[in-house]
Amino acid sequence: EAGVVQSPRYKIIEKKQPVAFWCNPISGHNTLYWYRQNLGQGPELLIRYENEEAVDDSQLPKDRFSAERLKGVDSTLKIQPAELGDSAVYLCASSRLGRAYEQYFGPGTRLTVT
Amino acid sequence: SQQGEEDPQALSIQEGENATMNCSYKTSINNLQWYRQNSGRGLVHLILIRSNEREKHSGRLRVTLDTSKKSSSLLITASRAADTASYFCATDLPTSYDKVIFGPGTSLSVIP
Repeated sequence: EAGVVQSPRYKIIEKKQPVAFWCNPISGHNTLYWYRQNLGQGPELLIRYENEEAVDDSQLPKDRFSAERLKGVDSTLKIQPAELGDSAVYLCASSRLGRAYEQYFGPGTRLTVT
Repeated sequence: SQQGEEDPQALSIQEGENATMNCSYKTSINNLQWYRQNSGRGLVHLILIRSNEREKHSGRLRVTLDTSKKSSSLLITASRAADTASYFCATDLPTSYDKVIFGPGTSLSVIP
């Protein structure tokens, strides 16, 4: 079984530039999560999808962040414009519906904003 | 806001020794999970313990849960260099459907 795939693995951009991250979850996993992980901290949820519906985006900074999950499979997280404080690792995870207690994580995208 | 807090923040032991890390949380939970994160990698689910369970084992891992103290411990026996990683506890709450909150983690170094 293939794991959660994320790309790119690393991204360096200048502030005010846009950036996008892509995630392909495990086949059959209806729930998809985007997390942000700052250095030395645990992941913090940005948005959770059930199929194509964003059911929890309360922690997503909507002025600059957006996400979509077309057709309920792949997902894209976008930041526009990026700020210095957005430097972090962005993790995508997936799980079967109703099984948030067993999530499978991708390797993450390490974003550096200069 | 973080529900769980791991203790210690960092731990360094010799290979073969046991490693114990603790997690305390603030409010009632449905389940508590432990995850491992190797450097530069995503998190890997290690073990789940439900609120009505007190102890679970998986290989060299032993997890306990004390709901009266709102705490859990993860014991790794006979540690190996490959166990070097960060370990996170995560809790899901009865009031927050399908939402899991991670603690800040314990960084474990196992010295060969």
